Amino acid sequence: AQKVTQAQTEISVVEKEDVTLDCVYETRDTTYYLFWYKQPPSGELVFLIRRNSFDEQNEISGRYSWNFQKSTSSFNFTITASQVVDSAVYFCALTMNRDDKIIFGKGTRLHILP
Amino acid sequence: NAGVTQTPKFQVLKTGQSMTLQCAQDMNHEYMSWYRQDPGMGLRLIHYSVGAGITDQGEVPNGYNVSRSTTEDFPLRLLSAAPSQTSVYFCASSYWGQDNEQFFGPGTRLTVL
Repeated sequence: AQKVTQAQTEISVVEKEDVTLDCVYETRDTTYYLFWYKQPPSGELVFLIRRNSFDEQNEISGRYSWNFQKSTSSFNFTITASQVVDSAVYFCALTMNRDDKIIFGKGTRLHILP
Repeated sequence: NAGVTQTPKFQVLKTGQSMTLQCAQDMNHEYMSWYRQDPGMGLRLIHYSVGAGITDQGEVPNGYNVSRSTTEDFPLRLLSAAPSQTSVYFCASSYWGQDNEQFFGPGTRLTVL
C-alpha cells in the first residue's frame, strides 16, 4: 500500500531557529515522485519541490533544503533561520509512475513565533 | 494567464440540495483533479482526469460526479448534499500528469446544513 506519514501534527519554533519537517513514505514501486507543498494562512496551495526516486541528491533553495533518503523512505524538509512568513501548513505528497493518483500526507502546521 | 479558477468561493447548501463547483484552467493542462481538505485529514483525492473525455475515481468519490468535456473545464457535481460533504474543495491541474507540479485553485468553502 502507498502511504505518506507526517508524524508532526504541529510545530512551534521561535523566529531564526532551524526547523525540520519529517515525511516518511511507503511504496513498493521503484519509480515514484515526491513533493512538498505549502499552504499559508491565506489558504492557497503552493508548490515547493518535486523529486523523483532516482535522484537522491539533496536540494537547497535559499533557506529551504530537502533531504531525500531512500534507505529510510524519508523526504525531510528543513527551514534554516525561520521567519514568521514561513508559518503555514506543509504537505508532503507521493505519486507512482504507474498510477495517476497523488497521495498527500495529513500535513504539519508550523508556527514561527516572533 | 488566470491559472486555475474556482467558483464559487463560498457556498451554503441544505441537505439534499445539488450543486456544481466550477473549475477552469487556461494553461492547456491535460491533468485535472479535485481534492477535499478536512481538518486533520490532509488533502484527499475525489476524482481526476487525464484528459478531455476521461475521468476516474480517487480516494473519496462517493456522492460526487465529474465530467471533462473540454480541456479547460472540470466541474464537480454534488448530487444530493450531505453534512459530511462540508469541506474546502480544491481543484488542481498540471502538464501531462500527476507526476508534475500541481497548480491549485483558490478553493471553495462548502457548508452543508
